[in-house]
Amino acid sequence: EAQVTQNPRYLITVTGKKLTVTCSQNMNHEYMSWYRQDPGLGLRQIYYSMNVEVTDKGDVPEGYKVSRKEKRNFPLILESPSPNQTSLYFCASSLSRKEQPQHFGDGTRLSIL
Amino acid sequence: GQQVMQIPQYQHVQEGEDFTTYCNSSTTLSNIQWYKQRPGGHPVFLIQLVKSGEVKKQKRLTFQFGEAKKNSSLHITATQTTDVGTYFCAGSSGSRLTFGEGTQLTVNP
Repeated sequence: EAQVTQNPRYLITVTGKKLTVTCSQNMNHEYMSWYRQDPGLGLRQIYYSMNVEVTDKGDVPEGYKVSRKEKRNFPLILESPSPNQTSLYFCASSLSRKEQPQHFGDGTRLSIL
Repeated sequence: GQQVMQIPQYQHVQEGEDFTTYCNSSTTLSNIQWYKQRPGGHPVFLIQLVKSGEVKKQKRLTFQFGEAKKNSSLHITATQTTDVGTYFCAGSSGSRLTFGEGTQLTVNP
């Protein structure tokens, strides 16, 4: 089944403790991105990747890192999480570039205390 | 930078009433996409509009792309309880895909 898989689905952690949210897609998609969703603000793009080893900042990249060493994986790294990063995070992928329909993962709800 | 604004933020309707959400961009878009997110779920792609003035229909849903390619709308005729959710537009321009804030639709049976 074609899908985008995120892990973990839920995480409660404390300020400053490094964490990684994994994202994997099995559709051979070139374009992958991370969004955060906050009430009243919609989906805001954190980082995106056009292909392996190519990443770029979205609208709200501060406090986040990403890597794209393999085509299928696009992990989101919070080196030193802070409470303002408490949010619902979605990973998405598309066949190529941003114009193609985005396929979203089920989301990861992060709570930073 | 590019901004995509969506109104209204919330809409409550009685089942059977029509519903419309509007999307406006600060820049000309190369295309616009629409997504639906059910409560507790993830956004699911509905449709993509590319041409100026384009109109597409999916059963009770009608999507329009403005002549200037800076605005779009989604209209649902005779809403049903299954239409409940948040509807997002996403505009593509340059190297970015920017989502609107979404319109949360509730339908009273």
